[in-house]
Amino acid sequence: AQSVTQLDSQVPVFEEAPVELRCNYSSSVSVYLFWYVQYPNQGLQLLLKYLSGSTLVESINGFEAEFNKSQTSFHLRKPSVHISDTAEYFCAVNRNTGTASKLTFGTGTRLQVTL
Amino acid sequence: GAGVSQSPRYKVAKRGQDVALRCDPISGHVSLFWYQQALGQGPEFLTYFQNEAQLDKSGLPSDRFFAERPEGSVSTLKIQRTQQEDSAVYLCASSFMSGAGYTFGSGTRLTVV
Repeated sequence: AQSVTQLDSQVPVFEEAPVELRCNYSSSVSVYLFWYVQYPNQGLQLLLKYLSGSTLVESINGFEAEFNKSQTSFHLRKPSVHISDTAEYFCAVNRNTGTASKLTFGTGTRLQVTL
Repeated sequence: GAGVSQSPRYKVAKRGQDVALRCDPISGHVSLFWYQQALGQGPEFLTYFQNEAQLDKSGLPSDRFFAERPEGSVSTLKIQRTQQEDSAVYLCASSFMSGAGYTFGSGTRLTVV
């Protein structure tokens, strides 16, 4: 079984400041790793994912995450946040089997960006 | 359409009423998942279909919950005799084949009064 821990339930930050949202996972098997973003009253949108290869993955809107196998972490970072980044962010994992398997989510981190 | 479509968007049910939630996945997507998201929580897995076969229903919280996907495309999640603790957002996700990422619908917000 897998589990995901998001250590911060809320992260307040000023616009243009850097941010890091922490995610640690536990699994006895190899996993894929994901970050999803959820805007108010909307579904989940895939932000970025780690499948294999380079441990640093990037999204089109400036977010990046680095897979650290030794620390079992997949922290999400952005060097300069915008008001529009205010949302709930979920880290998730599933088994790396090449076939579909269920996602296990963390409890989420609320990113609140203010002026 | 291009995305996963869920209906209704909102549903208010009286306690004890039966409800049916619909998910229309992306055309050609083999895998379909249902998740339950309680207020302030992350989504929790309910059940998984590969085509019309329900391969995993370990997350269904009670026998009041039932899901089907008879023709391998549209899926329906049915909740019988709804209880207040069933109030949540129900999310559907689909994937073409591998486990490497899913497309989620906007969800159905169920409120049981």
